[in-house]
Amino acid sequence: DAGVTQSPTHLIKTRGQQVTLRCSPKSGHDTVSWYQQALGQGPQFIFQYYEEEERQRGNFPDRFSGHQFPNYSSELNVNALLLGDSALYLCASSLDGNNEQFFGPGTRLTVL
Amino acid sequence: AQSVTQLGSHVSVSEGALVLLRCNYSSSVPPYLFWYVQYPNQGLQLLLKYTSAATLVKGINGFEAEFKKSETSFHLTKPSAHMSDAAEYFCAVSRWGGSQGNLIFGKGTKLSVKP
Repeated sequence: DAGVTQSPTHLIKTRGQQVTLRCSPKSGHDTVSWYQQALGQGPQFIFQYYEEEERQRGNFPDRFSGHQFPNYSSELNVNALLLGDSALYLCASSLDGNNEQFFGPGTRLTVL
Repeated sequence: AQSVTQLGSHVSVSEGALVLLRCNYSSSVPPYLFWYVQYPNQGLQLLLKYTSAATLVKGINGFEAEFKKSETSFHLTKPSAHMSDAAEYFCAVSRWGGSQGNLIFGKGTKLSVKP
């Protein structure tokens, strides 16, 4: 079992650009959540996808959007990047009906 | 609304000493509580979780936590620290309880272990 995988590992972008991050959930999981972890902070919830729809959303602007595919994998898109978007982006998967979330290693995004 | 407060951003102990990492929660519903560990440049690994069963929860790597409703606390302990325990620890509460709640994390406590 490969667990939760994320790509890419690291990414460097400039302000105003757009970025797409990818996540494959743990085998058997159908729910994907995305978190942003700024340096020195705890992760903050961005949104959660289930059955290819956004089910919950945290306090993030519309520049942050996502998608879930039929195979349960997911993408996080961020438009019009700001310096403050620099962070570790974590994907977590779970099985609907189970509260245990498994985290991937994250994607480190640096915005210059 | 749910929230989590971790007391102490940095805790330092000697190898073999007791580890105590503090977490207090606020929840308008019966809480589901979690402790995660994060090693440098890695994702989060679940140590243990409380889901309204036994109040003393045992986790991996010798860690345990006790849910105390009267004190709204869920402190993490380990009787004897090991060098490999050096990492950052996060306490989290499930936002709405139950299966669908996303997690609300504390700011984390960095644990250092001195030889």
